[in-house]
Amino acid sequence: GAVVSQHPSWVICKSGTSVKIECRSLDFQATTMFWYRQFPKQSLMLMATSNEGSKATYEQGVEKDKFLINHASLTLSTLTVTSAHPEDSSFYICSATGPNPETQYFGPGTRLLVL
Amino acid sequence: EDKVVQSPLSLVVHEGDTVTLNCSYEVTNFRSLLWYKQEKKAPTFLFMLTSSGIEKKSGRLSSILDKKELSSILNITATQTGDSAIYLCAHTGTASKLTFGTGTRLQVTL
Repeated sequence: GAVVSQHPSWVICKSGTSVKIECRSLDFQATTMFWYRQFPKQSLMLMATSNEGSKATYEQGVEKDKFLINHASLTLSTLTVTSAHPEDSSFYICSATGPNPETQYFGPGTRLLVL
Repeated sequence: EDKVVQSPLSLVVHEGDTVTLNCSYEVTNFRSLLWYKQEKKAPTFLFMLTSSGIEKKSGRLSSILDKKELSSILNITATQTGDSAIYLCAHTGTASKLTFGTGTRLQVTL
């Protein structure tokens, strides 16, 4: 089956630093990748949609200069949290669609803790 | 704006019980409704529902969509402790964007 990986699984950083999270589709080419954020005891909230080679589309309320998304190839998308602050601490999950756009395959998520 | 609401928010049952989780939706252009199970990591796919009245089944889990009532249910029979998780319902909208419900936290005790 389709596998999506994320790296790192866990990251703890100091306030003010930038953190890059990678999302890779391992055995398929992902036409579209999605980035979600999930706060404790809350549901997944879509942050942005990214298509290979084009600018990401951000959801309302998500700062594009704070959450930089790069989708450089059909198997890799990166999310960079710039100048992270404690309120950015969350669980970040990516997903990818392959040949069937109706099916999204989720990565294992990245837990970010900003001190 | 698409909206997905799940109930109950949280549920505790004994092993062996049957549970029914609810999902209702208000969306502009219905495409499909998805159910996911989330344990400690990212959600794992359970079912995709597109047609009303057709039950999807996988082992002890089953789900059905009612387009007239704009809702879906997820049933779990003979629950086990391994069923403890958050169950998420999501609508697939334009450009494959998923709108998730609040989730139902299920805990199955011995």
